Amino acid sequence: AQKITQTQPGMFVQEKEAVTLDCTYDTSDQSYGLFWYKQPSSGEMIFLIYQGSYDEQNATEGRYSLNFQKARKSANLVISASQLGDSAMYFCAMREGWLYQAGTALIFGKGTTLSVSS
Amino acid sequence: DAGITQSPRHKVTETGTPVTLRCHQTENHRYMYWYRQDPGHGLRLIHYSYGVKDTDKGEVSDGYSVSRSKTEDFLLTLESATSSQTSVYFCAIRDSNNSPLHFGNGTRLTVT
Repeated sequence: AQKITQTQPGMFVQEKEAVTLDCTYDTSDQSYGLFWYKQPSSGEMIFLIYQGSYDEQNATEGRYSLNFQKARKSANLVISASQLGDSAMYFCAMREGWLYQAGTALIFGKGTTLSVSS
Repeated sequence: DAGITQSPRHKVTETGTPVTLRCHQTENHRYMYWYRQDPGHGLRLIHYSYGVKDTDKGEVSDGYSVSRSKTEDFLLTLESATSSQTSVYFCAIRDSNNSPLHFGNGTRLTVT
């Protein structure tokens, strides 16, 4: 079974609109971390936002927020007021057992392509 | 930006030849990772390292080996390249358990 599921292969939005990119995860660990990365067409991987499983408040970083619903095992990325430069591939990722496991890697979803038009 | 350099940035090689990709960091971070990115698969972990000479396998380790003789360098070797190893390879580093991975700019490898 997939650990990270991103069901939207592509999303289209107009400038200044808000957009939600979906991410669901599967883990039996109590301690885990959730991450979102952006990959523009130039190819680099850019870290956007992080949410720990014990964090009670949803993470926010500027125009990015993470809508964390623990019971539903979802960690959706919300981008407010989209800009043309937001056009990119977005990856959701999870680290399990991050509090105590050395070297734990990130498990990535397959990504969602976001296209922002003017 | 995290100081991570991958080399080469692009490489074309023939089936059956050995290939080594290099990841160099200037951050003195303990953990280093190699991922490959393929369309429809996202990023998949090949190998990772949690210290000098300490490495472990990831999800797609067959056909790959790694070495880490110094903190700053993590080498990925394709022992005998195959066309299925045509991919973009990313190196990543992190310093502590709850910090994000920081990625290099990737190496585009084509095996003909």
